[in-house]
Amino acid sequence: QKEVEQNSGPLSVPEGAIASLNCTYSDRGSQSFFWYRQYSGKSPELIMFIYSNGDKEDGRFTAQLNKASQYVSLLIRDSQPSDSATYLCAVKRMNRDDKIIFGKGTRLHILP
Amino acid sequence: GAVVSQHPSWVICKSGTSVKIECRSLDFQATTMFWYRQFPKQSLMLMATSNEGSKATYEQGVEKDKFLINHASLTLSTLTVTSAHPEDSSFYICSARDVSGDPRGGYTFGSGTRLTVV
Repeated sequence: QKEVEQNSGPLSVPEGAIASLNCTYSDRGSQSFFWYRQYSGKSPELIMFIYSNGDKEDGRFTAQLNKASQYVSLLIRDSQPSDSATYLCAVKRMNRDDKIIFGKGTRLHILP
Repeated sequence: GAVVSQHPSWVICKSGTSVKIECRSLDFQATTMFWYRQFPKQSLMLMATSNEGSKATYEQGVEKDKFLINHASLTLSTLTVTSAHPEDSSFYICSARDVSGDPRGGYTFGSGTRLTVV
């Protein structure tokens, strides 16, 4: 089982709709969870991180964490064409090696 | 916010030569930096963890003698690809954590280096 799993997509969402991205992880010792956005040919940029169960909102983005189900999601409201990118889910294992392990990413395409 | 500078942004080298990539934390100290490699349409694969003042820790399957990492100061880590071959052509990205920041937080990435070996 891979440490961090995501559907590779592409996920196509109409402009203005809500995009929902999902991620599962295998290590129950993971304590911080991240969503990075990566445009083609560029390095990843951090959108949000979450470490407590529940929802965390930042502008149009909401991260959701369910540690019991080992599940993380990212909702993007009012999707814009500029949101078209690959979204990488990542987890960090605290108090071990502080490594951040990435999923393969989900390609999101916002349809104008 | 925290800024990580990485250069060169792209490099073309001949097969058999060595290439050095630098990663600098500009406005914070980073005792640990991480080096990733990304092939086209694939995810970031962690290559090694660079620790200031000590040996790097390499992930399974990564040749430490081929990918030399040096972390001589709290703001600089270098990755040297030795005896490069075309299969080493990839996007190399470093990341660093601000030790004064939230330990639960994420890391800042450099802009990446596109290496092409011909």
